[in-house]
Amino acid sequence: AQRVTQPEKLLSVFKGAPVELKCNYSYSGSPELFWYVQYSRQRLQLLLRHISRESIKGFTADLNKGETSFHLKKPFAQEEDSAMYYCALSGAGSYQLTFGKGTKLSVIP
Amino acid sequence: KAGVTQTPRYLIKTRGQQVTLSCSPISGHRSVSWYQQTPGQGLQFLFEYFSETQRNKGNFPGRFSGRQFSNSRSEMNVSTLELGDSALYLCASSFEGKYEQYFGPGTRLTVT
Repeated sequence: AQRVTQPEKLLSVFKGAPVELKCNYSYSGSPELFWYVQYSRQRLQLLLRHISRESIKGFTADLNKGETSFHLKKPFAQEEDSAMYYCALSGAGSYQLTFGKGTKLSVIP
Repeated sequence: KAGVTQTPRYLIKTRGQQVTLSCSPISGHRSVSWYQQTPGQGLQFLFEYFSETQRNKGNFPGRFSGRQFSNSRSEMNVSTLELGDSALYLCASSFEGKYEQYFGPGTRLTVT
């Protein structure tokens, strides 16, 4: 069975501090991994996809197959980063997303 | 492009009733997925449709069903509503071959 675990429900950091949102997964095979974000009163939207290896809004995420992790990182948090972050996976060729429970990031001014 | 739209946005139903929710995907997107979001269980996959065929189904009882029309619009139906069906139901659409899913605003269903 596939599973995504986000151990922190809430993460509070000061503006300018580094941010790391943790995500661990369980999947037999090679999954597609994603980070989705939901800002206040907005829709859920894709932030990052592991295969694209991009940096979006200063965020990066590295897939560690040995540790089955896909942590989201940003070196300097901004107030506008405050949001709900969801890690998700899908099997290769599948559109079925399995989500973690989410981490609420609060950036303190 | 217009985003994914869902109607209605809010719904209040009584136990035992049935409900139909509608989703219009982004133009050109033929894959439509449905998710249930609750505080306790989080986001859970219900089913995915492509070209009017259900391709994947999540672990939900048969009371939850869906369909997709030739214009890619999709509906989901929940029969014999239970209190535990109270949730935010999200629809997402994708362009075939692209795994980014675009989410709608959701339909908030309250069962009393």
